[in-house]
Amino acid sequence: GQNIDQPTEMTATEGAIVQINCTYQTSGFNGLFWYQQHAGEAPTFLSYNVLDGLEEKGRFSSFLSRSKGYSYLLLKELQMKDSASYLCAPGGYNKLIFGAGTRLAVHP
Amino acid sequence: EPEVTQTPSHQVTQMGQEVILRCVPISNHLYFYWYRQILGQKVEFLVSFYNNEISEKSEIFDDQFSVERPDGSNFTLKIRSTKLEDSAMYFCASSVGSTTDTQYFGPGTRLTVL
Repeated sequence: GQNIDQPTEMTATEGAIVQINCTYQTSGFNGLFWYQQHAGEAPTFLSYNVLDGLEEKGRFSSFLSRSKGYSYLLLKELQMKDSASYLCAPGGYNKLIFGAGTRLAVHP
Repeated sequence: EPEVTQTPSHQVTQMGQEVILRCVPISNHLYFYWYRQILGQKVEFLVSFYNNEISEKSEIFDDQFSVERPDGSNFTLKIRSTKLEDSAMYFCASSVGSTTDTQYFGPGTRLTVL
């Protein structure tokens, strides 16, 4: 079966760093995607990890440990516009399975 | 920058009616997908499509649903006889390849079934 766990909500202060964790159990794992979704909008791609380790992309970094079924998304220098849901999505063949998402609120 | 487009942005229909949701994937992409998101819930996979065939479908994608690529640019999702519980945002996505390639999502069609 598929099981993806993320915290439901997080809050953080503008300019701070926040880490959003994701644990997963899926069949047919082919890497892990992180997407951002603002309310009422489509998911937009943030990062992809297929190998263990850290991938850095500007203010966003993502980490993967395949053996532990664990990933995190690190957001640095938070801005108000980063207030959104962050979706962990282990990639299977021909599909993405999304977690429920973590709703991040950034406040001044 | 190329993007996935979807029409209409909002569709209201009566229960039992047929609806067709339209998508234009990114032009050099070969894999197409439909997802849905019921208000307040997670994004759920419906179906993937490649080379004019369904590659995979979820349990949600029952006989009431069908997909088609009627020409070289459009990709459609048809719901034959809509139910109240079909009310959701429907997202189309496309990718160059499958599995490890990034899926790019369209803006969605909000379907409201009355």
